[in-house]
Amino acid sequence: AQSVTQLGSHVSVSEGALVLLRCNYSSSVPPYLFWYVQYPNQGLQLLLKYTSAATLVKGINGFEAEFKKSETSFHLTKPSAHMSDAAEYFCAVTVDYKLSFGAGTTVTVRA
Amino acid sequence: DTAVSQTPKYLVTQMGNDKSIKCEQNLGHDTMYWYKQDSKKFLKIMFSYNNKELIINETVPNRFSPKSPDKAHLNLHINSLELGDSAVYFCASSQESSGANVLTFGAGSRLTVL
Repeated sequence: AQSVTQLGSHVSVSEGALVLLRCNYSSSVPPYLFWYVQYPNQGLQLLLKYTSAATLVKGINGFEAEFKKSETSFHLTKPSAHMSDAAEYFCAVTVDYKLSFGAGTTVTVRA
Repeated sequence: DTAVSQTPKYLVTQMGNDKSIKCEQNLGHDTMYWYKQDSKKFLKIMFSYNNKELIINETVPNRFSPKSPDKAHLNLHINSLELGDSAVYFCASSQESSGANVLTFGAGSRLTVL
């Protein structure tokens, strides 16, 4: 069965620093992969998705993710963190038409 | 206009009670979902309906019963509430049920069982 593992339940970065959130998937076939963000007391919203069209995927708010088949990874990055990026980030993969989420990574941004 | 709206936003109730959460989407999507987010923020799918038909029914106690009167609405009824049912319940919708579809989530309904 396909699943995702997010490495690091909590990431703290300084404002202006690189944000790197790690996600590895297990799949025997090309997967559909997603990153969602959850701001405090809100529902999830899509940051970006990979559907095999391009390995580097650009999303909203300056985020991007690179699909690396050899590493079974789909890490999320943003070159320069902003205070408004403080949130919970979820990597997800489609399993039998069901969206299955990783455990989430909490991002805090220090001024 | 809110795309996926859930009511109520907060629900506090006693063990053993029965409660319902309602969800409506105005996106014209064919598929709707219920997800449960526990206190550790782990998200797990519970149910999915496509055009009023149940297509996903995870291992959920049969105290939980979804109902979809039409494709724009998906309600969740919970009987005999237990402490472990305390969680945030998210409704979501998507254009269709294929794997590449993006889900649009509601703001969540926080259920607290005392």
